[in-house]
Amino acid sequence: DSGVTQTPKHLITATGQRVTLRCSPRSGDLSVYWYQQSLDQGLQFLIQYYNGEERAKGNILERFSAQQFPDLHSELNLSSLELGDSALYFCASSVGLAGNTGELFFGEGSRLTVL
Amino acid sequence: SQQGEEDPQALSIQEGENATMNCSYKTSINNLQWYRQNSGRGLVHLILIRSNEREKHSGRLRVTLDTSKKSSSLLITASRAADTASYFCATDYHNNNDMRFGAGTRLTVKP
Repeated sequence: DSGVTQTPKHLITATGQRVTLRCSPRSGDLSVYWYQQSLDQGLQFLIQYYNGEERAKGNILERFSAQQFPDLHSELNLSSLELGDSALYFCASSVGLAGNTGELFFGEGSRLTVL
Repeated sequence: SQQGEEDPQALSIQEGENATMNCSYKTSINNLQWYRQNSGRGLVHLILIRSNEREKHSGRLRVTLDTSKKSSSLLITASRAADTASYFCATDYHNNNDMRFGAGTRLTVKP
């Protein structure tokens, strides 16, 4: 158990809909990262927050948004969903900024299926 | 965009053999990390090597880093069927402290 909690574990929805994925980082971790993993693919970096502020942005679509709340949990909002958005969405946390403080701890992911 | 690229994409070996996976990256880094992912599960951190280190060991794992070639290798010695998984390298991107992952190497260890 990494200590990172992601909900929901599975989500099935229709094209055009909007969903929210939630992540609770490990206790004490200030950084949260979101990644997308399509079937049998690598991890695409979406966005990173540190202590409530956005710190880095990857190839995140404009239809996607995220935030980190004062209690450090984070939410990833996906709107106007398309079939191609079906993927595993991972949240990871670290104590500080990964380049300086080391490893990321991953949740078990939220599997999104868009029909 | 991806930062690292693993090679090979897939590797199949017999139990007891050694497995070597390589990773190349594009920018200067603070550290390089290797992660393991069992099918459909979250990634698990294996080992971290800093840019001023050349080699690191952890149990049956040996990692090397060549910053002049922007490459790293992960060696798993005396592999076991339980080592079957995908292995990813990750680096901080442009020293921005966000971690970018490669596409991974899928390792199959046959009993």
